[in-house]
Amino acid sequence: QKEVEQDPGPLSVPEGAIVSLNCTYSNSAFQYFMWYRQYSRKGPELLMYTYSSGNKEDGRFTAQVDKSSKYISLFIRDSQPSDSATYLCASHSNSGYALNFGKGTSLLVTP
Amino acid sequence: DAGITQSPRYKITETGRQVTLMCHQTWSHSYMFWYRQDLGHGLRLIYYSAAADITDKGEVPDGYVVSRSKTENFPLTLESATRSQTSVYFCASKAGEAFFGQGTRLTVV
Repeated sequence: QKEVEQDPGPLSVPEGAIVSLNCTYSNSAFQYFMWYRQYSRKGPELLMYTYSSGNKEDGRFTAQVDKSSKYISLFIRDSQPSDSATYLCASHSNSGYALNFGKGTSLLVTP
Repeated sequence: DAGITQSPRYKITETGRQVTLMCHQTWSHSYMFWYRQDLGHGLRLIYYSAAADITDKGEVPDGYVVSRSKTENFPLTLESATRSQTSVYFCASKAGEAFFGQGTRLTVV
């Protein structure tokens, strides 16, 4: 079983919708949490990077970490067709520096 | 240009051949990684390195060899390619945040 679990989708929403993407993790030592966006045939691109619990906002994107429930979320407001991509969550501990990835969620935003 | 560069972008090789995938980063990040990405499996760690001359196995290291003689380079070698190694390979480097290259699409026939 992977240390980070993520529903692969696909998830299809209309333009302008609020999107919620979620992951769970099993390792209590994980302290660093990331969200990557990956377009088809491209490398993963870092979207959000957070440490420990709490929220972080960047434009239309909000990352949320709840360490008590080992739950990681990414919210996208006012979704756009250009947001259509695969979203990957990842995490690692203070002592481990290799990223543990979920399998990714495929998102399609329709005009 | 600053960043992380992988070469080649596409490669077709035959079963049993040795093939090396190159990775070069310009930031002097200490940490570097090789992942493979396959449908249904996501990104899986092959090998990683904390510094020059320090490497360690990840989740799926069998059939692969790495070296890190210089901080900026982290080549991945498939010693005797097999069809199961057909995949997209990503190199990454990390200081705090990790940044990925554009990937090498390898087909073993």
